Amino acid sequence: DAGVTQSPTHLIKTRGQHVTLRCSPISGHKSVSWYQQVLGQGPQFIFQYYEKEERGRGNFPDRFSARQFPNYSSELNVNALLLGDSALYLCASSLAQGRIGAEAFFGQGTRLTVV
Amino acid sequence: GESVGLHLPTLSVQEGDNSIINCAYSNSASDYFIWYKQESGKGPQFIIDIRSNMDKRQGQRVTVLLNKTVKHLSLQIAATQPGDSAVYFCAELPYNDMRFGAGTRLTVKP
Repeated sequence: DAGVTQSPTHLIKTRGQHVTLRCSPISGHKSVSWYQQVLGQGPQFIFQYYEKEERGRGNFPDRFSARQFPNYSSELNVNALLLGDSALYLCASSLAQGRIGAEAFFGQGTRLTVV
Repeated sequence: GESVGLHLPTLSVQEGDNSIINCAYSNSASDYFIWYKQESGKGPQFIIDIRSNMDKRQGQRVTVLLNKTVKHLSLQIAATQPGDSAVYFCAELPYNDMRFGAGTRLTVKP
C-alpha cells in the first residue's frame, strides 16, 4: 500500500511569491493534517481537515490556508512568502477525525526554501 | 506559554546498550503522549504512545514511562542498534492540539 505522498519533494521560491503544496493520504484515510518543521525543531501543527472541513488550526497567520478535496487529498497554500517560511512541510493522514495527531501517518515532506 | 521540551539535544550510546531519552512537558491538560522517530529525509514515524491513565507502556524493544507528578516522559530503547540512530520527538496532545518537543538526536556507535 502506498503511504502518504507529498509533492513536490523540494521547492525554491522567492520572497513574496505564493506556493501550493500537495498531499495524498493513505487510501481510506479521511483526515489530513499539516505541520511545519523548521530545521532543528519539532513539527508545529498548522491545520487539520476532515471530510473537507477544517477541524483544527494552529497558531499560524492567515497567509497559510488549506483545503481538502472530495478524494481526501489536500493542498496547503502559503501567500506572500517570507524567509522564515523556509521549512519542511509535513502532511499526515489518519483514518478518522479523532485527536489531532493520533494514529497519524506522516509523509516525507516538502522541503521549501524561500530566497 | 506551556510547551514540550527535552533535557538533552544529543545522546550517543554504544551499540547494544540501552538508551533513555527524556522529555518534560508542562501542560497539565495533556492526556495523551506520543514518541516519534525521524530519520534524515523522512517524516516522523510513530514509535509508541501512552495515555495519562497509565504509567508505563511497552512495545518491541521500547518502553515509555510517564510521571505525571513531575510532568516527565521518557523513552527507553533496549539493546540499541545502528538503525535506531535518528532524532526522537515526544509530542503531547491536549485536546484539539499537538505539540512537539525540539527533539533528541540519538547516535549509536558501533
